Amino acid sequence: EAGVAQSPRYKIIEKRQSVAFWCNPISGHATLYWYQQILGQGPKLLIQFQNNGVVDDSQLPKDRFSAERLKGVDSTLKIQPAKLEDSAVYLCASSLAGQGITGELFFGEGSRLTVL
Amino acid sequence: AQSVTQLDSHVSVSEGTPVLLRCNYSSSYSPSLFWYVQHPNKGLQLLLKYTSAATLVKGINGFEAEFKKSETSFHLTKPSAHMSDAAEYFCAANRDDKIIFGKGTRLHILP
Repeated sequence: EAGVAQSPRYKIIEKRQSVAFWCNPISGHATLYWYQQILGQGPKLLIQFQNNGVVDDSQLPKDRFSAERLKGVDSTLKIQPAKLEDSAVYLCASSLAGQGITGELFFGEGSRLTVL
Repeated sequence: AQSVTQLDSHVSVSEGTPVLLRCNYSSSYSPSLFWYVQHPNKGLQLLLKYTSAATLVKGINGFEAEFKKSETSFHLTKPSAHMSDAAEYFCAANRDDKIIFGKGTRLHILP
């Protein structure tokens, strides 16, 4: 079974530039999550989708971050314009519908962003 | 509000000796609790989970954790460390139908 796919694995940009990350969850997983993991900290939930609807985006900095999950499968996370403090690993995870709180999240390998 | 505290940012043990990684949670009710492992440049992988069944939970790779409500703890243990256990470990809990993570404990294995 294919795992959660993310790209690109690494990205270096200047501040004020834009960047986009892509995630393809495990087939059949209705719930998709984007987490931000800053060096030395645990993952922080940015946004959670159930199919193509947003369940929670309370910690997403909406002035610069946006995410979409068209057709309820792939998802894209965009940052525009980037700030130095956005340097982090962006993790995508997926789970079966309704399994998020008691089941297992399956994570991709992450996209490491460096903002100079 | 639910929160998770990992008491040690780094733990070093010798190969073949026991491992103890500590996690405390704060909650007014028994939450679902998890331990995840992250090897370098890899995504997080679930080690084990507690969901109000048996208080001693066995996971993959010989790890286990015990839920102690009186101590609000969910410490991760392994009887004998292996070099391949070197990684970052995250304790997590559910809160408002979302999983929140502790800051992580980096486990170093000394030869």
